[in-house]
Amino acid sequence: DAGVIQSPRHEVTEMGQEVTLRCKPISGHNSLFWYRQTMMRGLELLIYFNNNVPIDDSGMPEDRFSAKMPNASFSTLKIQPSEPRDSAVYFCASRTGRNTGELFFGEGSRLTVL
Amino acid sequence: AQRVTQPEKLLSVFKGAPVELKCNYSYSGSPELFWYVQYSRQRLQLLLRHISRESIKGFTADLNKGETSFHLKKPFAQEEDSAMYYCALNTNAGKSTFGDGTTLTVKP
Repeated sequence: DAGVIQSPRHEVTEMGQEVTLRCKPISGHNSLFWYRQTMMRGLELLIYFNNNVPIDDSGMPEDRFSAKMPNASFSTLKIQPSEPRDSAVYFCASRTGRNTGELFFGEGSRLTVL
Repeated sequence: AQRVTQPEKLLSVFKGAPVELKCNYSYSGSPELFWYVQYSRQRLQLLLRHISRESIKGFTADLNKGETSFHLKKPFAQEEDSAMYYCALNTNAGKSTFGDGTTLTVKP
């Protein structure tokens, strides 16, 4: 297995534009997580899914952020409209267990909003 | 609500010196605790988990429920240990919360 796959690896966009980040979890994994990493705030949990169902989205900063998981092998994180303060590295992670176990991370998507 | 605290953002030690990265947590249930490591230009990966009670790359961590701590220790640091280290907690509901991370630098 290639592990968790994220795209794009790097994205540079202008303020106000829509950004879509994509994630393919490891096959057979039941849980998927989206995190945001910044120097100031470390690794923040944005949202997580169990069996494609969003369980906790309390970490989503505001209505500009949305996440979907239409099937077990694909998830998106969308920012619309984007702002400079959204610049960060966004990580996707998956795990086998719904409530337990280690997370397997993707390589991250580095977003820069000008 | 659960919370993970790593009080040191930066930690610097000399090669061969002992190192301890601190992690404290708050959670009313029974936590599942982990240490993850991110080496330069690599993805985050699991270092160790408390239920395994094993030593990985010379690192150990003991869960102290009385002090709500899960500090990471290594008796003799190596230059290749330089990385970002994250402490993480799984709640009973499966939510995985991370601390802010500690950047460890091991100087020659």
